[in-house]
Formats: sequence, C-alpha cells, structure tokens
Amino acid sequence: EVQLVESGGDLVKPGGSLRLSCAASGFTFSNEWMGWVRQAPGKGLEWVGRIKRKIDGGGTTDYAAPVKGRFTISRDDSKNTLFLQMNSLKSEDTAVYYCTTDPPGGWWGQGTLVTVST
Amino acid sequence: DVVMTQSPLSLPVTLGQPASISCRPSQSLVHSDGNIYLNWFQQRPGQSPRRLIYKVSYRDSGVPDRFSGSGSGTDFTLEISRVEAEDVGVYYCMQGTHWPRTFGQGTKVEIK
Repeated sequence: EVQLVESGGDLVKPGGSLRLSCAASGFTFSNEWMGWVRQAPGKGLEWVGRIKRKIDGGGTTDYAAPVKGRFTISRDDSKNTLFLQMNSLKSEDTAVYYCTTDPPGGWWGQGTLVTVST
Repeated sequence: DVVMTQSPLSLPVTLGQPASISCRPSQSLVHSDGNIYLNWFQQRPGQSPRRLIYKVSYRDSGVPDRFSGSGSGTDFTLEISRVEAEDVGVYYCMQGTHWPRTFGQGTKVEIK
C-alpha cells in the first residue's frame, strides 16, 4: 500500500523557517518525480514545486513564483523521504502542505499544517 | 501560466440527478508527447484530494463508473451521472502539461 506521511508543520513567526518532511513507502520512491501542493484555509489547491528523479537531471527543482527563492525542495532516496525547506516565511504561506507526485496523481499525503503568525 | 477556469463554482444537485462541471484552460494542453494531462480531483470535507480522472477520460482504480471525463482543445467536462450523498465536496481540474502545474478554482458540489 502506498503511503505518504508529512510531518514538521508548526506555528512559526513571520520571517522564520521550517522544514517539512514526507516519508514515502509502498512504491519505488527514487523512480518518481515528487512535489508539494498547498491549500490555504478555506481556499483552493496551489502547486508549490517539484523535484525530478535523479536519472532525469540530477534532481532538478522548479518552484511556483510565490515561493521561488524562499523554498527549497530536496530528496533523500536512500531514506525514501522528500523535504521542503521554507525560509523567510510570510503570513500568506499559512496552509496545509501536501506531498504528492509530479504531476499530482493518485498518491497524496494527509497534509501538515503550517501557520505563520505573530 | 495556464489559467484553468471552472464553472460553476457552486453546484447544488438533487440526489440521483446528473451533474456537470466545466473546465476551460487558457491554452492547449497537448503535451509534446501527444498526451493531454488534464486531471480531475475530488476533495471531500476534511480529506486530502483524491484523483478521479487522468488524461481527460481515464478513471482511476476504485472510482465509481458514474464519474466520467471528456473534452478536447480548451473545453473539458467532468460528469456525474447520478449524484450520491458521498459525492459532496469540492472538485478541481488540474493541468499537468505545462509548468507550473495549475488548478481550477474548485467547484463545490452540495445536495439540495
């Protein structure tokens, strides 16, 4: 059974940093392009960024404009784990962050809540 | 960026009746590999999104056959042949052809 389990969400002050993790199991993680999608409270889905698999370009990353330069996606294929490093957080980054494949498909985590507030 | 425009944004339906959601991208979704990466997702209250349809019309495993997807060019549709109570939620179209991936605004389906 495929599982994606996000963790690391928390309450953080504006300007702060946070690192999210996504533990994957039930499939060959290294074979998949992975990504993050977020959902602000009461709002729709927003693509955050993606990371390719190593054989398709050494783990190249791409980001949505609102997070580019502040967020970094990485992966550890030896531990089947995806990461999202978030720096210079703003109130508008408050959202549930989901781990999924790229493009988003049939596998999603349960999400982890990030709240950016004083 | 490709803008995905859904309509309606709110859809009250009667149990057992059909429902239809439109999704219009701002440009063609034909990928260089010839595929059209247009997906439909369902998000029930308090749950993660669940993919229902991929590549316009292919139903995911376990998805009831009352859900169907169709379309071409810049006009796509998700249809529910007979709405059931468990279909309540928000439905999103999403394009996976171009970067960045973009979602529609969502259509909230509720029972009258």
